[in-house]
Amino acid sequence: KQEVTQIPAALSVPEGENLVLNCSFTDSAIYNLQWFRQDPGKGLTSLLLIQSSQREQTSGRLNASLDKSSGRSTLYIAASQPGDSATYLCAVDSNAGNMLTFGGGTRLMVKP
Amino acid sequence: EPEVTQTPSHQVTQMGQEVILRCVPISNHLYFYWYRQILGQKVEFLVSFYNNEISEKSEIFDDQFSVERPDGSNFTLKIRSTKLEDSAMYFCASSTLAGVVETQYFGPGTRLLVL
Repeated sequence: KQEVTQIPAALSVPEGENLVLNCSFTDSAIYNLQWFRQDPGKGLTSLLLIQSSQREQTSGRLNASLDKSSGRSTLYIAASQPGDSATYLCAVDSNAGNMLTFGGGTRLMVKP
Repeated sequence: EPEVTQTPSHQVTQMGQEVILRCVPISNHLYFYWYRQILGQKVEFLVSFYNNEISEKSEIFDDQFSVERPDGSNFTLKIRSTKLEDSAMYFCASSTLAGVVETQYFGPGTRLLVL
């Protein structure tokens, strides 16, 4: 059974810092890995999707990498801003799009 | 930009009552999903639905749960006899393909409280 873990569980940084969020998964037989953002009391917004054959994806100040063989992904946020404050969730698709398995999230606070 | 919508945003019900949570997926999407998130816990998969059939379901999705696409636009989750432990945020999602190359788009959720 796929298990997804995210560390740290919470992170507080001053504005402008570059930061890295980590995600690990136990079964490397995945189709893709996705990073989502969740604001308090809200739904999930997709940030990046990395297919299993890819190593990284970039969108603006966000860069996600995938090392499938070691079961790891990182989300790099450059020049963090207070508006980046949210919970970041990692999710893996091990079942060809039929379901996502989520990590517990990293709660990020960027202080002005 | 098209989005997934869910109603109601909040629902309070008594234990043992039936509830129906409603979702309107993005119009050209073919795959539909329900997830739930108990307060302070991970988002958990419940069920996926394609071509008017359940494609996959988790062990959480027992006989108390059912899904339906009653018309061309709505996708519903019914909980037949609610328990206290069903209190959670329920998210609907949809995607165009089976999601291998396409993300799932999530709705804002319905917060269900069972008393």
